[in-house]
Amino acid sequence: EPEVTQTPSHQVTQMGQEVILRCVPISNHLYFYWYRQILGQKVEFLVSFYNNEISEKSEIFDDQFSVERPDGSNFTLKIRSTKLEDSAMYFCASSILGGGQGETQYFGPGTRLLVL
Amino acid sequence: AQSVTQPDIHITVSEGASLELRCNYSYGATPYLFWYVQSPGQGLQLLLKYFSGDTLVQGIKGFEAEFKRSQSSFNLRKPSVHWSDAAEYFCAVGHAGNNRKLIWGLGTSLAVNP
Repeated sequence: EPEVTQTPSHQVTQMGQEVILRCVPISNHLYFYWYRQILGQKVEFLVSFYNNEISEKSEIFDDQFSVERPDGSNFTLKIRSTKLEDSAMYFCASSILGGGQGETQYFGPGTRLLVL
Repeated sequence: AQSVTQPDIHITVSEGASLELRCNYSYGATPYLFWYVQSPGQGLQLLLKYFSGDTLVQGIKGFEAEFKRSQSSFNLRKPSVHWSDAAEYFCAVGHAGNNRKLIWGLGTSLAVNP
């Protein structure tokens, strides 16, 4: 069964460093998402991406965040200058469709980011 | 504001016992409702979803959930829990007009005693 994969599974970085989290969505899916979960808090939507552009983003997704689909398979989340409060589990998801169809979002296993 | 509440942070049941995990939502429009499960080291796996029609929906692993509009609830049930059901369970709601953004509950951690 196709699945969303994410790398790395864990990443430790120093405050102020740039990190890139990688995701490989399911191959025939067209919508891609990033969510994050700070320890002990709710899963929060960050951004959705379709047709090589952001379709929606949350207030969390400020200028230090960016997303990219550099090739036909990868979907990346970049954090330019990490802060302590960026420490969280980051989930990537994909869906065949999005918006009003109730399409299921399929999630990867997550990347646990720790900023020191 | 849209919100999802899972009142029970942690539940422990005995293997073979029945299970009900609660989920309440606050939403101004017709919601799309989901239950996901996360086992240790695993991603978020969809258990079931409700979009419309029959308010009792069946999912994988023997789970079901019932949408009750009058109570703004979407509780997850299983008649007989297995030890492998121990995991974190998340309820989420999507907008009927825009499913791209899922709003999540805090999750309920389920422990199963042998």
